[in-house]
Amino acid sequence: SAVISQKPSRDICQRGTSLTIQCQVDSQVTMMFWYRQQPGQSLTLIATANQGSEATYESGFVIDKFPISRPNLTFSTLTVSNMSPEDSSIYLCSVAWGGPQETQYFGPGTRLLVL
Amino acid sequence: AQSVTQPDIHITVSEGASLELRCNYSYGATPYLFWYVQSPGQGLQLLLKYFSGDTLVQGIKGFEAEFKRSQSSFNLRKPSVHWSDAAEYFCAVCGDSVDGSYQLTFGKGTKLSVIP
Repeated sequence: SAVISQKPSRDICQRGTSLTIQCQVDSQVTMMFWYRQQPGQSLTLIATANQGSEATYESGFVIDKFPISRPNLTFSTLTVSNMSPEDSSIYLCSVAWGGPQETQYFGPGTRLLVL
Repeated sequence: AQSVTQPDIHITVSEGASLELRCNYSYGATPYLFWYVQSPGQGLQLLLKYFSGDTLVQGIKGFEAEFKRSQSSFNLRKPSVHWSDAAEYFCAVCGDSVDGSYQLTFGKGTKLSVIP
């Protein structure tokens, strides 16, 4: 399986600021995903980020709030913009790995607290 | 659209006892099914997956799951639970999204507590 790292692992931020989360993979992958896990909740897909194309956002998520970059096949960033306390969550990136029957493997997550 | 139901929010078992976590899915075609585990403060780790073939799949850490198409279920089992198994468990189904890519849909999770 792919090894995935995320930076930062956690952060405490003031409302109105922005935070960029990095996701690094040790192998080249086509499909990367960003999820949000609100406190005590399950995972919700924010967007799919494929290299060479614009990210595809799920209903309820917009590019202005969660801009995503995917400059190459091993790296992606998610920015949480103009943060509010409601953005306090765990943000996880994942990659699809394994050929035609792709399985998603997850990074360790970034724990964000917005004050 | 696909969906996943995990009916049990929280389960408590004694160490050494057997475990079964329930998962029901809704998907029009043959699903790809997964179980993930999230330990406190950690990311998600893949326990096992089902794509096709043998309906009883073996995973890591002594877990197994059985796909039952007639019941639309993919329950996770372990014959003897260890204290280190205390975590949150997520069932997920993979289906096609609007743009043709794969999309994972997660259940709400089942929190497992283990009594020493």
